[in-house]
Amino acid sequence: GAVVSQHPSRVICKSGTSVKIECRSLDFQATTMFWYRQFPKQSLMLMATSNEGSKATYEQGVEKDKFLINHASLTLSTLTVTSAHPEDSSFYICSAFVFLDYGYTFGSGTRLTVV
Amino acid sequence: TQLLEQSPQFLSIQEGENLTVYCNSSSVFSSLQWYRQEPGEGPVLLVTVVTGGEVKKLKRLTFQFGDARKDSSLHITAAQPGDTGLYLCAGIPDQKLTFGTGTRLTIIP
Repeated sequence: GAVVSQHPSRVICKSGTSVKIECRSLDFQATTMFWYRQFPKQSLMLMATSNEGSKATYEQGVEKDKFLINHASLTLSTLTVTSAHPEDSSFYICSAFVFLDYGYTFGSGTRLTVV
Repeated sequence: TQLLEQSPQFLSIQEGENLTVYCNSSSVFSSLQWYRQEPGEGPVLLVTVVTGGEVKKLKRLTFQFGDARKDSSLHITAAQPGDTGLYLCAGIPDQKLTFGTGTRLTIIP
C-alpha cells in the first residue's frame, strides 16, 4: 500500500534555531501533501497544503515565513520551523492523497520540543 | 469555529459496554471519513461513508452517514481495551482533509 515516511520522529531544539521535517512518499508520487499540527489532547489542525513545483497554500493564521514548506519533487515535501519558540512545540504530521485508493495516508508524525 | 464538531470530547467506559460517538456539521459533505489515532502515531483510516443514510460495519464498529450528509456516527459494541484511542471524523471541503474536534476514548479493563 501507499506509505508516507516522516523523519525525524522526535526532535529537541533550542529556542531560536530552525528544524527541518521531511515527508517522503515511498511507492507513489504525491503532487500534493498536507501538513498538520496537533497539540496535546487536541485534534489535527491543517497548517498548509504543499504543491509540487509551486508555492504552498497556508491556512488562515499560519505564518508562512515561520513555517517554510518546500515540495521540490513528487516524493518529498519538507517543513522547516524557523526561529523556533517553545510554543511551537507540538506533534507535526504530514499526509498525502492517494488517488486510486480514494484516501489519505499519513506519516508517523514528528514530536517537536523547543527548549 | 470548527467545521466538524464531535461529541463527546472524552469518554471513559468499562470493557463490554456500548458507546456512540457523534460528528456534526452545518455543512453538507460529499463524504465523511473516520480515523483512529494512537499516541505518537498518524491517524489510520477506518471507513469512508459516501451516500446519505449509508451504514457500514467493521466488526464491532458501525458507522452511519446522516441522510442530509451533514453528520455521522460511530457505534462500538462490546468495547474492548484495544479500542482505546482518539477517534476523528474528517471531511474534504475544498479538497483539503479537515478533521473534527476528536473524541478521546478510554476503555477500562
